[in-house]
Amino acid sequence: GIQVEQSPPDLILQEGANSTLRCNFSDSVNNLQWFHQNPWGQLINLFYIPSGTKQNGRLSATTVATERYSLLYISSSQTTDSGVYFCAVPFRNTDKLIFGTGTRLQVFP
Amino acid sequence: GAGVSQSPRYKVAKRGQDVALRCDPISGHVSLFWYQQALGQGPEFLTYFQNEAQLDKSGLPSDRFFAERPEGSVSTLKIQRTQQEDSAVYLCASSFRQGGSPLHFGNGTRLTVT
Repeated sequence: GIQVEQSPPDLILQEGANSTLRCNFSDSVNNLQWFHQNPWGQLINLFYIPSGTKQNGRLSATTVATERYSLLYISSSQTTDSGVYFCAVPFRNTDKLIFGTGTRLQVFP
Repeated sequence: GAGVSQSPRYKVAKRGQDVALRCDPISGHVSLFWYQQALGQGPEFLTYFQNEAQLDKSGLPSDRFFAERPEGSVSTLKIQRTQQEDSAVYLCASSFRQGGSPLHFGNGTRLTVT
C-alpha cells in the first residue's frame, strides 16, 4: 500500500520561530490534506491541497504531486500551534485517506 | 449542526460487553468515515459510507466490529464482545461529497476496555 512519511517526527520551537514540515508519499495521488491535532485530541482540517500552494493566515502549504511531496509552513509560531500535524492522502485515489506518521510540534513561550 | 458530533465522549466497558458509538455528521455531508486512533499513532481507516451505502469496510479489525448508517445521516459503530485491544479513540469524519473534498472530524469517543 501507499507509504506516507513525515519529517521531522518531533520539533521544538520558541514562540515567533518559523518551521517547515514535510510529507513524502510513495504513490501518485489526486489530493492531499493537512490536519492539526491539538493537545485535546481534536483534528482540524488545515488544507485540502491536491497541488500548488495555498495560504491561510500564518500557515501555508505547497504540494508538488509530480515529485510526491508536500510542505506545511508555519510562520511566527504561537503556543496554540502545539500538537501533532498529520498529512493524509487517498489510497489508490479512493476516498479512503491514509494518514502519515505525524510531526509533533511543541511551541514554548 | 455546525460540526461532526460524537457520543459518548468517553466509554468504559468491561471485557466482553457490547458498545455502540454514535456519529452525527455535518448536515448535507454525503460521505462518512470511521477511524481508530491508538495512543501515539495516527488515525487508521475502519470503514466509510456514501449516504447509506457502506462502500468500504476493509479496515474493520474483526467481525466483532459493525457499522451502519441506515438513513444516510447518523451512523453507529458497534463493537461486540469488547477486548482490551479495542481500547482506542474512535473518530468519525464527514465530507461534502465523494471524490475528494475536505474531511471534517468529530471530537472522538475514547473507549477503554477493562
